[in-house]
Amino acid sequence: DAEITQSPRHKITETGRQVTLACHQTWNHNNMFWYRQDLGHGLRLIHYSYGVQDTNKGEVSDGYSVSRSNTEDLPLTLESAASSQTSVYFCASSEGPLGTGKYTGELFFGEGSRLTVL
Amino acid sequence: GESVGLHLPTLSVQEGDNSIINCAYSNSASDYFIWYKQESGKGPQFIIDIRSNMDKRQGQRVTVLLNKTVKHLSLQIAATQPGDSAVYFCAENPDTGTASKLTFGTGTRLQVTL
Repeated sequence: DAEITQSPRHKITETGRQVTLACHQTWNHNNMFWYRQDLGHGLRLIHYSYGVQDTNKGEVSDGYSVSRSNTEDLPLTLESAASSQTSVYFCASSEGPLGTGKYTGELFFGEGSRLTVL
Repeated sequence: GESVGLHLPTLSVQEGDNSIINCAYSNSASDYFIWYKQESGKGPQFIIDIRSNMDKRQGQRVTVLLNKTVKHLSLQIAATQPGDSAVYFCAENPDTGTASKLTFGTGTRLQVTL
């Protein structure tokens, strides 16, 4: 079955370190997204991509970057981790025409990655 | 596992009873709404959606009601089961076809008692 997987599921790091969270989907979806989920907030969009080589900033993009070198993967990098980036991170993907951001079905979410920055 | 946390509004319902979970949305321009279920340690899962040209939509054991006048959305779960225990949250979209415009609510925890 097609799926979306995130790794690592749990990560503890120190302030200032670079961290990369992996996201891999096997649906061949053009649209991929990274969200963070914190108590008192709904899911907030960090970065998103509508296809290979396309990346866009979301609502809370400061301190994060993504790259899209193929359809299946959208790794999220924290260049210099800060305690404010302690959170649960979710990757999601959806069908849609390449490069448009339009989606023709639901968002499929990964199981999440819990990141703790000490 | 990954989940939102412990301090969400909580609705306790006895097994077999109906559940009603409410959501107030913020953007009067939103024209597409989705309910998600998030079980402990898992990512959100799509339950049901509704477009603004409808005021009611039914799925299997679930019904979504939309009141655009007061910007209110509700999710009704019939004959609630223990497996329904989870956090439920709504999402709104002012640009129906563009996924990056989705805005998510904070959620309500549903506890099903036996």
